[in-house]
Amino acid sequence: QQQVKQSPQSLIVQKGGISIINCAYENTAFDYFPWYQQFPGKGPALLIAIRPDVSEKKEGRFTISFNKSAKQFSLHIMDSQPGDSATYFCAANYGGSQGNLIFGKGTKLSVKP
Amino acid sequence: DTAVSQTPKYLVTQMGNDKSIKCEQNLGHDTMYWYKQDSKKFLKIMFSYNNKELIINETVPNRFSPKSPDKAHLNLHINSLELGDSAVYFCASSQSRNQPQHFGDGTRLSIL
Repeated sequence: QQQVKQSPQSLIVQKGGISIINCAYENTAFDYFPWYQQFPGKGPALLIAIRPDVSEKKEGRFTISFNKSAKQFSLHIMDSQPGDSATYFCAANYGGSQGNLIFGKGTKLSVKP
Repeated sequence: DTAVSQTPKYLVTQMGNDKSIKCEQNLGHDTMYWYKQDSKKFLKIMFSYNNKELIINETVPNRFSPKSPDKAHLNLHINSLELGDSAVYFCASSQSRNQPQHFGDGTRLSIL
């Protein structure tokens, strides 16, 4: 019940295209849903986050769509650029203890020029 | 200035040794964490500390012990290292529960 399932495992997109990464969860106690971006040799960096009382959040080219009833959320990267090539992790914060983030298994995004 | 810094960046050692990884944050955050990232890049929380109190302790071997001398530091001590401990260990911090976590750049531990 504490799992966060992420798909696809890898994604190849042409420059200018839309990248879409999906996540699903079971536990309704999750109350905060961040997305992290990780480049090789670096730590995960917070990209964008959403709380379950909001259905969509947009920051620049990055948008989170959240479907509370379906227990799903997704990251959309518009106008994808080669510099966006990285591994993306969705996560969910498990309420009831402090900051216990459960991570998805990651999606390796490659944006071809 | 680096917000969350870990040392060393690389650690190569032999099975059975004892080692420590240091972490410092200059963000004034109240909570610090240790994560393990395995060879498949799966990230899993190991520990977190809030105001010097251990508040999360996942099912990690007791060979791993976090130690926090003050709010800005959370060090990770590992005894009797095993081959399976090879991974990248990340330190992170956040202002409080449900606030964004900021990660360091990791320590790559390799056990020979």
